Amino acid sequence: QVQLVQSGTEVKKPGASVKVSCKASGYTFTSYFMHWLRQAPGQGLEWMGIINPSGGSTSYAQRFQGRVTMTRDTSTSTVYMELSSLRSEDTAMYYCARKLSNRFDFWGQGTLVTVSS
Amino acid sequence: DIQMTQSPSSLSASVGDRVTITCQASQDINNYLNWYQQKPGKAPKIMIYDASNLETGVPSRFTGSGSGTDFTFTISSLQPEDIATYYCQQYENVPLTFGGGTKVEIK
Repeated sequence: QVQLVQSGTEVKKPGASVKVSCKASGYTFTSYFMHWLRQAPGQGLEWMGIINPSGGSTSYAQRFQGRVTMTRDTSTSTVYMELSSLRSEDTAMYYCARKLSNRFDFWGQGTLVTVSS
Repeated sequence: DIQMTQSPSSLSASVGDRVTITCQASQDINNYLNWYQQKPGKAPKIMIYDASNLETGVPSRFTGSGSGTDFTFTISSLQPEDIATYYCQQYENVPLTFGGGTKVEIK
């Protein structure tokens, strides 16, 4: 069965970086693009970008350009999302989600990132 | 960016009631719209894709309709397990964007 397992809770200081992982299993890792999204506490969903695990190409939402980097490791079927220059507004639950056609069909369990001094 | 406006932001209905949520796009998005259900503390779950297609395993009481700028999501007979927040999402353009969500509660 398809599973996306994300890394654990992170607490960071303003200005720091965070790197969240998402380990895929139960399917061919390189056959499906992976999205990253986030959800601030009590708020709605925000799309951050997408990575092609096959070639590593990426596309980021304009508002995160220059601060976000998505990478993958095909040997471990893991994708990563690194966000730099963290500020309090980046406090959120971060999700990876697999792309099937034009929808998110499987999601990770979420990684809570808290940015606080 | 395409703005997605959902209404209402919350609703309270009785078990067995018909529940309707609307989503309006700021420009024509054809039928490039999905609906997700999110229960507290959980990741979202795809319910309807391409505006009107029921995802495998989702009960048939959930339906979606619409095209262009105006879309509707309906629960024909509300069940206790349907308590959640529902989001529409467009994929006509990047950035992919979501509506603000509709929280559905039991009266």
